[in-house]
Amino acid sequence: AQSVAQPEDQVNVAEGNPLTVKCTYSVSGNPYLFWYVQYPNRGLQFLLKYITGDNLVKGSYGFEAEFNKSQTSFHLKKPSALVSDSALYFCAVTSLEGDDKIIFGKGTRLHILP
Amino acid sequence: DAGITQSPRHKVTETGTPVTLRCHQTENHRYMYWYRQDPGHGLRLIHYSYGVKDTDKGEVSDGYSVSRSKTEDFLLTLESATSSQTSVYFCATYRGGDEQYFGPGTRLTVT
Repeated sequence: AQSVAQPEDQVNVAEGNPLTVKCTYSVSGNPYLFWYVQYPNRGLQFLLKYITGDNLVKGSYGFEAEFNKSQTSFHLKKPSALVSDSALYFCAVTSLEGDDKIIFGKGTRLHILP
Repeated sequence: DAGITQSPRHKVTETGTPVTLRCHQTENHRYMYWYRQDPGHGLRLIHYSYGVKDTDKGEVSDGYSVSRSKTEDFLLTLESATSSQTSVYFCATYRGGDEQYFGPGTRLTVT
């Protein structure tokens, strides 16, 4: 069965600094990984995904994520944080060879401090 | 955005009553999912469907049932609502090899 861990409930970063939101996963077979963002009182919006190929994936709003198979991680990054990046971020995983269950982590609240 | 609607958007109901939430999509995506979102728990998968009349349980399926009689509709039923089912419910669709598309959510309060 798939699982996702987001070890930090909250991350605080000063505006202009780089940010990292951590995600580790467990899956049978090859992982298919996602990051989503949720703004207050809104649904989830897709940021980026990894299936195969380059370990560094670029997505929306300047975000990128690095897939590390040996560490089973898929951390979300951005070189320079904006106040408008403050939101709730979710990592999700499914297996390419599995049952198409898509499992989410508990989410990490990102606060960008002006 | 994929055309996903959820109804109702808000509902207050009493303990012990049955409740049905509806998810409707216009994108002809094969897969549909129901999640609940609770503080400290993130999104938890309740049930999902991989085709008409084909459904399977997720992480927190107890007390919930689903039905999918048409590609475009996925119904979630709380057979006898309890206060622990107070939550925000999200429907999502997926066509495989792509990302999920989420509906706007239904806020359910069980009193």
